[in-house]
Amino acid sequence: NAGVTQTPKFRVLKTGQSMTLLCAQDMNHEYMYWYRQDPGMGLRLIHYSVGEGTTAKGEVPDGYNVSRLKKQNFLLGLESAAPSQTSVYFCASRLTQETQYFGPGTRLLVL
Amino acid sequence: GQQLNQSPQSMFIQEGEDVSMNCTSSSIFNTWLWYKQDPGEGPVLLIALYKAGELTSNGRLTAQFGITRKDSFLNISASIPSDVGIYFCAGHAGGTSYGKLTFGQGTILTVHP
Repeated sequence: NAGVTQTPKFRVLKTGQSMTLLCAQDMNHEYMYWYRQDPGMGLRLIHYSVGEGTTAKGEVPDGYNVSRLKKQNFLLGLESAAPSQTSVYFCASRLTQETQYFGPGTRLLVL
Repeated sequence: GQQLNQSPQSMFIQEGEDVSMNCTSSSIFNTWLWYKQDPGEGPVLLIALYKAGELTSNGRLTAQFGITRKDSFLNISASIPSDVGIYFCAGHAGGTSYGKLTFGQGTILTVHP
């Protein structure tokens, strides 16, 4: 049981490039979330999903898109990366109670 | 949107000392959670609180759900070097919020041996 995994662990992009971050969970959780973490700002919700085939916007969705084609996977896409998207990205999942389980994070640097 | 103010922002303490940190909100939460993040890792749940006034312990950690439902406190007793990390509070509003959490800015804890 790996819990929540994220790939890649680290990535460097040039401004304007695109990429997809993958989150996978093997706990059969319905809900999944994408956060970004910036110094002094805690974790801010980008997008979330309440089940396979559904997605919704969080607090800071601009510049990101998501897809949940399979229950166990939640993808976060950056179509045209900007330096302001340099951050650490965390995925989380939960079943029913409010407790969310987090992945190890993806560190993204946009030059 | 909802705001969580977590304090202090950072703490430098000696091993063996007790630690206190708190979170206050501008609105009511139905659930309070406390997470710890080790360097280079994702946050890990320490304590979950589900009822106003609730006091819950997990080893040397004790957390309380404030009576007003707008605040929560975390205490760590007899700190040890492995307590180093960032501590986050998080609140859940309940209702149709789909489990979305609002996080505090974090408290960075440094423990000197």
